[in-house]
Amino acid sequence: EPEVTQTPSHQVTQMGQEVILRCVPISNHLYFYWYRQILGQKVEFLVSFYNNEISEKSEIFDDQFSVERPDGSNFTLKIRSTKLEDSAMYFCATAGLGRLYFTDTQYFGPGTRLTVL
Amino acid sequence: ELKVEQNPLFLSMQEGKNYTIYCNYSTTSDRLYWYRQDPGKSLESLFVLLSNGAVKQEGRLMASLDTKARLSTLHITAAVHDLSATYFCAVVLSLGETSGSRLTFGEGTQLTVNP
Repeated sequence: EPEVTQTPSHQVTQMGQEVILRCVPISNHLYFYWYRQILGQKVEFLVSFYNNEISEKSEIFDDQFSVERPDGSNFTLKIRSTKLEDSAMYFCATAGLGRLYFTDTQYFGPGTRLTVL
Repeated sequence: ELKVEQNPLFLSMQEGKNYTIYCNYSTTSDRLYWYRQDPGKSLESLFVLLSNGAVKQEGRLMASLDTKARLSTLHITAAVHDLSATYFCAVVLSLGETSGSRLTFGEGTQLTVNP
């Protein structure tokens, strides 16, 4: 069964450093998302991406964050200058086009645990 | 702003018992999802509910949706230990466009089924 993959599974970084989290979507999916989950808390939306541009972003997704699909397969989330409060599990999710032109169910990757020291 | 509330947040139950998890949301929604998350793992899609009165069942889990009350329930029948996990409901706003598909999650219900 096709699945979303993410690398690395765990990233430890120093405050102020840049990190890039990578996601390989399910092959025929067109809609891509990043969510994060701080330990013990609920899952929060960061950004959605379609047709090579951001379609929606949350208030969390400030200028420190960026997304791109550099080679048509990987979907990346970059944090330019990490802060302690960026420590969280980051999930990539992807979706195809479902019925009635709505996006289909979002399928989540295994996540990248980011630890900022 | 769309708010999604689940209750209870913690649920400890014995094997064989029945229970219901509730998910309330604050504004009109096109779709409601239930996801399961095991500790340290990703989110696994369980159900998607698209219309008022929708009911879906898989094994010991049954989900329903009442769009008028803005309420979804996840009913557990004759619980077994393997169902221990955190269950999230997630709602999509009614924007009617493919770009409006962000999921807004509830806080999650941590279910523990004891032998």
